[in-house]
Amino acid sequence: LAKTTQPISMDSYEGQEVNITCSHNNIATNDYITWYQQFPSQGPRFIIQGYKTKVTNEVASLFIPADRKSSTLSLPRVSLSDTAVYYCLVGDIGYGGATNKLIFGTGTLLAVQP
Amino acid sequence: DAGVTQSPTHLIKTRGQQVTLRCSPKSGHDTVSWYQQALGQGPQFIFQYYEEEERQRGNFPDRFSGHQFPNYSSELNVNALLLGDSALYLCASSLTDSNQPQHFGDGTRLSIL
Repeated sequence: LAKTTQPISMDSYEGQEVNITCSHNNIATNDYITWYQQFPSQGPRFIIQGYKTKVTNEVASLFIPADRKSSTLSLPRVSLSDTAVYYCLVGDIGYGGATNKLIFGTGTLLAVQP
Repeated sequence: DAGVTQSPTHLIKTRGQQVTLRCSPKSGHDTVSWYQQALGQGPQFIFQYYEEEERQRGNFPDRFSGHQFPNYSSELNVNALLLGDSALYLCASSLTDSNQPQHFGDGTRLSIL
């Protein structure tokens, strides 16, 4: 499974757009990119998953360049409740690989201030 | 539709004791994975159960064992507890051969005194 690198922490203010970038230079052809959010004393919560280009859902967007060696999670207009740790994961967890073990790094602690 | 549920939410044990943690998967899911999360770290994969058998295992000693029942629920057992076993234990469920992400419960906080 490809190793990922992401910033340890980020600060933002309410109402701003936040972009968290993850590097995964050794991503394999079958690998998908998945982001999870975790609040203290809770389990990780799935945010978004993609393979290439751009994916958007009701809470976030995921931008993946053509070489797929990095990805950017975009959170529009963050609020105080978005303060959490965000994990970027890379692995064959798309169709047929949905039950592969997930390899978490230390994540990015996003702190949103008023 | 209930998500992944884990019990108990908190547990305190002493060194050398044994503990059993329980997990009920999300409705429709057939696979259960267990993770250990130490304070300030990301979750670490322990093992995964499918069709009542251990399918994959992470780098954890044999003191960590598990079981899956016919209704897909699962147990994690840890013997001869060490202080270093203090952590949040997370259960994740998923559906084999699908493109759906793994869903996590809120974990069991295990403290070893």
